[in-house]
Amino acid sequence: NAGVTQTPKFRVLKTGQSMTLLCAQDMNHEYMYWYRQDPGMGLRLIHYSVGEGTTAKGEVPDGYNVSRLKKQNFLLGLESAAPSQTSVYFCASKGGAGSYNEQFFGPGTRLTVL
Amino acid sequence: AQSVTQLDSHVSVSEGTPVLLRCNYSSSYSPSLFWYVQHPNKGLQLLLKYTSAATLVKGINGFEAEFKKSETSFHLTKPSAHMSDAAEYFCVVSEETSYDKVIFGPGTSLSVIP
Repeated sequence: NAGVTQTPKFRVLKTGQSMTLLCAQDMNHEYMYWYRQDPGMGLRLIHYSVGEGTTAKGEVPDGYNVSRLKKQNFLLGLESAAPSQTSVYFCASKGGAGSYNEQFFGPGTRLTVL
Repeated sequence: AQSVTQLDSHVSVSEGTPVLLRCNYSSSYSPSLFWYVQHPNKGLQLLLKYTSAATLVKGINGFEAEFKKSETSFHLTKPSAHMSDAAEYFCVVSEETSYDKVIFGPGTSLSVIP
């Protein structure tokens, strides 16, 4: 099993450009999450999904949109990139409900917005 | 409200000496607690988790952590540091919500000196 994969690994955008980050998991997990990681701040939740066709806002959703059309995929979109969105983005998945279940993380996407 | 404090932003130890990474949390509920490790330019990997069973939890690569409710602590230890332990470590608390909200600590960077 590949686990959680993310595409692309690196990307450089100009201010105002758009892009989509793809997260895929092959563990048949229900829950999926998008985080951003900034120095000294740990990971902050952008959006999450508790099942196919459902999405919801996390802690820092502004400037991002998501879709979960298929259970195995969770897409994160930036409609008009801003320098403040320069960050490392991580996707995670979890088998189901229960705070005791750990999340499985992808390798990350490093995004730079100029 | 939940929060996680990692008391040291950076810890430096010599190879072969003990490691102690400190974590304190606040939670209104009986929490689930996790330690994740992140090696440079990699995703997060689960080291160990506490889910209200044994208070002393053993994880991978010789790490362990002890849950102390009276001190609201979940410190991570290892008897003897190895060069490969150099990484960023995150303490995470999770609570039962509609999406099993997790809060990440800011991280502790561990350096191992040969």
